[in-house]
Amino acid sequence: GAGVSQSPSNKVTEKGKDVELRCDPISGHTALYWYRQSLGQGLEFLIYFQGNSAPDKSGLPSDRFSAERTGGSVSTLTIQRTQQEDSAVYLCASSLDGGRSSYEQYFGPGTRLTVT
Amino acid sequence: KNQVEQSPQSLIILEGKNCTLQCNYTVSPFSNLRWYKQDTGRGPVSLTIMTFSENTKSNGRYTATLDADTKQSSLHITASQLSDSASYICVVSKTYGGSQGNLIFGKGTKLSVKP
Repeated sequence: GAGVSQSPSNKVTEKGKDVELRCDPISGHTALYWYRQSLGQGLEFLIYFQGNSAPDKSGLPSDRFSAERTGGSVSTLTIQRTQQEDSAVYLCASSLDGGRSSYEQYFGPGTRLTVT
Repeated sequence: KNQVEQSPQSLIILEGKNCTLQCNYTVSPFSNLRWYKQDTGRGPVSLTIMTFSENTKSNGRYTATLDADTKQSSLHITASQLSDSASYICVVSKTYGGSQGNLIFGKGTKLSVKP
């Protein structure tokens, strides 16, 4: 079956512009996660959705970052007024149910964001 | 502080050789530990997941070990292949259930297998 897909695969934007990153999770997966991977760093948790609600958004680095999920499926991560330090690979993952940490997370290929 | 430390940071080996990657963690309370493989430009793919009571788990040429007392894990790769070149990430889950923000990621070991 289809895996997690993300778009765009690459995004170059000017400092100060807004960007939207999209994630299509595996069909039937109720849990969805966003992570950020900066060069030479480990994955950094951003936000977790269970269905359309976000019980944990503690990883969002500032109020310029927001995310939503509609229909229990597609999610969009929005970064407003982008800064150069936002440059990173943004990874999305989904799992059957976020209520159990033993469920495997399946990752998408990521969106490489470059802010110039 | 909850941390996951991996060593070495990078490793180069010849095709056909074995290698062992290390992961030390200070995460508490502990739920499970995963090893992921991340090819360049791709998302991580799970290799193994181990709970507190499991000492060893194998997946083909990959064998993970876990010592919950010393809070150490290793990933052993046997008879390496060129396709094993990737970053290997150790991930520790802090709780059973609840917020998934409790996954703590290591920075990974970058493995290069040369012919």
